[in-house]
Amino acid sequence: AQSVTQLGSHVSVSEGALVLLRCNYSSSVPPYLFWYVQYPNQGLQLLLKYTTGATLVKGINGFEAEFKKSETSFHLTKPSAHMSDAAEYFCAVRPSGGYQKVTFGTGTKLQVIP
Amino acid sequence: NAGVTQTPKFRVLKTGQSMTLLCAQDMNHEYMYWYRQDPGMGLRLIHYSVGEGTTAKGEVPDGYNVSRLKKQNFLLGLESAAPSQTSVYFCASSSLIAGGTDTQYFGPGTRLTVL
Repeated sequence: AQSVTQLGSHVSVSEGALVLLRCNYSSSVPPYLFWYVQYPNQGLQLLLKYTTGATLVKGINGFEAEFKKSETSFHLTKPSAHMSDAAEYFCAVRPSGGYQKVTFGTGTKLQVIP
Repeated sequence: NAGVTQTPKFRVLKTGQSMTLLCAQDMNHEYMYWYRQDPGMGLRLIHYSVGEGTTAKGEVPDGYNVSRLKKQNFLLGLESAAPSQTSVYFCASSSLIAGGTDTQYFGPGTRLTVL
């Protein structure tokens, strides 16, 4: 079984400041890891994903995340927040290999203060 | 491509009424899912399907039924709605063909209120 923990249901940053959203996972087998973003009144869309290979993954809109196996973490970062980054962010995990169900975290709402 | 579409976008029901939510995808994906989203609880999987004619229970299936008669459509039914089913419902689809990694594509959601 796998699980995801997102630390902080709400995070506030100033425009131009570093964005750091935390995600820790548990999985009994090597995982695939995802970050999704949800803008108000919309569905989720993929930001980035880790499958195999390079542990630093770059996504859309300047976001990136690093897979750290020793820390079972997959934190999302962006060097400089923009007002348009205000949204809810979901971390998700699924075991690698074949079809497996995805488990989503409870989400972190990012507020960007001008 | 329209991607994943959901019908209706909004609905208000009275307790005990029934309704069907329709999800359609035009990406030829094998897998389809129904989630509900509630504040502070993230997304919870209701039912899913790994192919036409097959369905399976997810994390919170009670009170819901599903059908997938055609590959592109996945229907979610509420036979007797309860206030606890007030939520936002999302449909998603994904594919593992050609080494895919099961990225899910989401519809815009249906906001359901049960009075």
